[in-house]
Amino acid sequence: ETGVTQTPRHLVMGMTNKKSLKCEQHLGHNAMYWYKQSAKKPLELMFVYNFKEQTENNSVPSRFSPECPNSSHLFLHLHTLQPEDSALYLCASSQDSKEHNEQFFGPGTRLTVL
Amino acid sequence: AQSVTQLDSQVPVFEEAPVELRCNYSSSVSVYLFWYVQYPNQGLQLLLKYLSGSTLVKGINGFEAEFNKSQTSFHLRKPSVHISDTAEYFCAVSESRRGYNKLIFGAGTRLAVHP
Repeated sequence: ETGVTQTPRHLVMGMTNKKSLKCEQHLGHNAMYWYKQSAKKPLELMFVYNFKEQTENNSVPSRFSPECPNSSHLFLHLHTLQPEDSALYLCASSQDSKEHNEQFFGPGTRLTVL
Repeated sequence: AQSVTQLDSQVPVFEEAPVELRCNYSSSVSVYLFWYVQYPNQGLQLLLKYLSGSTLVKGINGFEAEFNKSQTSFHLRKPSVHISDTAEYFCAVSESRRGYNKLIFGAGTRLAVHP
């Protein structure tokens, strides 16, 4: 248990569906992240929020829409996805300052797009 | 931009044998290095990190890594592996950005421990 929870753990959706992934951290951290993990590829950073403000959008298609209502919660809204978007989506959090602190990861949501 | 290369995509090893997972990085500035482990159907968990100080870093589960600046390497070692060490291992370098530190990951090394 890392203090970062993600729901749902598994999700199957059609290309026309709209769904949301949820992440919650109980660590008091100020930064939260969404990563995409596909088979045989390095982890891809998608979005970063620091104090609820989006500080990075790593050229992610607009069919992925993040939301960070407060420093403990992070959502990833999905719509009109493609089969190649099937992957493990990982959320992470960290307490960022001038120290290079570690990121704490959630267990991930396994997404399958049909 | 910094990058990380993990030279082996898969490493098979017998139980109780030693193992080394290789990691090389490219960086022209201060380096902050991490090793994470991912067990099946789980997220990533920190094994160890190098921020400064001693070049030999000890982590959890009996793992250690050595920071070698001249060879730009941060190889992970364990003297005797267990079946339970079967997992994917990721090396990462941390890069300062505005408001946060970005982790740049290698492609991962799958360690398979056989009885």
